[in-house]
Amino acid sequence: DAGVIQSPRHEVTEMGQEVTLRCKPISGHDYLFWYRQTMMRGLELLIYFNNNVPIDDSGMPEDRFSAKMPNASFSTLKIQPSEPRDSAVYFCASRRDRRSPLHFGNGTRLTVT
Amino acid sequence: DQQVKQNSPSLSVQEGRISILNCDYTNSMFDYFLWYKKYPAEGPTFLISISSIKDKNEDGRFTVFLNKSAKHLSLHIVPSQPGDSAVYFCAAISWGGSEKLVFGKGTKLTVNP
Repeated sequence: DAGVIQSPRHEVTEMGQEVTLRCKPISGHDYLFWYRQTMMRGLELLIYFNNNVPIDDSGMPEDRFSAKMPNASFSTLKIQPSEPRDSAVYFCASRRDRRSPLHFGNGTRLTVT
Repeated sequence: DQQVKQNSPSLSVQEGRISILNCDYTNSMFDYFLWYKKYPAEGPTFLISISSIKDKNEDGRFTVFLNKSAKHLSLHIVPSQPGDSAVYFCAAISWGGSEKLVFGKGTKLTVNP
């Protein structure tokens, strides 16, 4: 089991540019979550999917953020346009069902200058 | 409104002694609690969990205690080892309600040799 795979590991971009973060969940996991970690707010949930369908996107900070899950093995989180305050570590996580623990990827560290 | 609180940002203990990490929650609907451990540049990894029908769960050196009336849980590590140095996140979920796992901000544990 390869675990949850995120790419890129690091992303440095200029304000105004589009950023796309990618995630491959663990095979067989029905749920996929996107979290953002900052010093001020800790780990905050942005959006989650169940069977590729977005269930709750109430944590997405603004319309500049969007997420998709076109199939069971791939999800993207897009920020357009990016701003310096978006700088954070973004984690993707998956779980098999409601009662299983989350498995996290190693995160993407995003820096927007 | 922070539903899961870890009031100690950091904790330092000597190798071989007990480490006690604390967590408080406000939502009485939470019925399942988890602890995650996070090393630098890695994603959080699941450590141990407890259901609200129990007051204690043990796994090797790790024990989680739950006090429902006080809405408090704690993680005990005995004996502490230098490799336990990491950030520990408390998390909670309501299985009968939202599928979202809510995290505390974490406590950084340092175990000194």
